[in-house]
Order: sequence, then C-alpha cells, then structure tokens
Amino acid sequence: DAGITQSPRHKVTETGTPVTLRCHQTENHRYMYWYRQDPGHGLRLIHYSYGVKDTDKGEVSDGYSVSRSKTEDFLLTLESATSSQTSVYFCAALGGNTDTQYFGPGTRLTVL
Amino acid sequence: KQEVTQIPAALSVPEGENLVLNCSFTDSAIYNLQWFRQDPGKGLTSLLLIQSSQREQTSGRLNASLDKSSGRSTLYIAASQPGDSATYLCAFTGGGNKLTFGTGTQLKVEL
Repeated sequence: DAGITQSPRHKVTETGTPVTLRCHQTENHRYMYWYRQDPGHGLRLIHYSYGVKDTDKGEVSDGYSVSRSKTEDFLLTLESATSSQTSVYFCAALGGNTDTQYFGPGTRLTVL
Repeated sequence: KQEVTQIPAALSVPEGENLVLNCSFTDSAIYNLQWFRQDPGKGLTSLLLIQSSQREQTSGRLNASLDKSSGRSTLYIAASQPGDSATYLCAFTGGGNKLTFGTGTQLKVEL
C-alpha cells in the first residue's frame, strides 16, 4: 500500500453537513488522487494533486474540494454532503519510479 | 473521452482452470495500462503494469498483454486457485497521470 492511510475508515453523516476525509502517505509521492467507487460506475477520479498546493479537477469534481498543504496529506472536503455522495472513497499516490498507483484502504461514507 | 469496457462482468470457474479477462478501450493514446485486484471491502492492489511501448508483462501465474491497434488488453491467469477470487480492474493512464478505470470483472474460483 506504499504507506497510504485514510481516515476515517467509516463515517455516517447527515445531508447538508460538511465532511473532510484525510489521506496520508509516508513515501514522499508527488502525485496524489481521490476516487469514488460506486456500483455500475467503477472508480471515478474526483480530484488530483501534482504537488503541494497544486491540484486539478477530475471527472466528478462537483460538490468536492481538495487541499494539499504538505506533501504527505491530501484532504477531500464535501462542503455540504448530499445522499448522492454516499460512496466508498479511495485515495491513491503515484509511485515515483514505477508509474504504479498505490491505493489506500478506502473510506465508506454514508450520507443520510 | 476514454471508454474502458471489461467483459465479462462476472465469471465463475473451477479450480485449476486457465482463464482470460478482457479489457477494451476506445482511445489508443495511452501512457500505460495497469491491472489491479480488489478484494471485498479492501483497496486496490496493482498486479501488472504495461508501458505503451510494451506488448506484455508477466508475474508468476499472471500474464497481461496490450494491443493498442485493436484497443484491447487481456489478463491471463494460469491454473486458477480459490485465492484468486476477487474483482479485477484494468485502468489506463492518460494525460496528467490520471487513471481511467473499467468497471471490473468479478472472479470466483470454486473448489
């Protein structure tokens, strides 16, 4: 897993509340990614980062924001959670010498 | 936009059988291709990575091939075992080192 952890691992929240998910890596990877996984849609890219304070949108970025103030942490924020954001969220980092993406264990988010 | 299709969506085979998982894509302008394994409730584990200039990669009982001209990749699993039961996903890396995933093939290997 290249030292990638996610917190929390499970969260239940209510519609309209803000939620922040954290991804932490220990391998000094430059590129980091947030995906969501839903039945019938596979994994879809939400946002990614190519360095500290450098981020860009992915395929399904509406309703999400990210921040990366230091190399090891990449935060995903749902400003006002909706039921359509119920999903499993995965963080990943790109291995510098291998082009392989390493994934965290996932966060299961339920928005009621 | 890159479209990635995996067929079949689900597959059940007896132990010991050799099997092939298929992945097709619409845009040949890829940087590389990866095959991942995902166990229930877990994250993804990279199995094989093929650079766009390569045709195949092998790791143990796994062999992955890439044919950009036909827009296809295959994952061959030899002598399947119950421990191979998982969902297998292919993904293509495009611009910005972004991955585009297929929806996966759920494999069950039965005793």
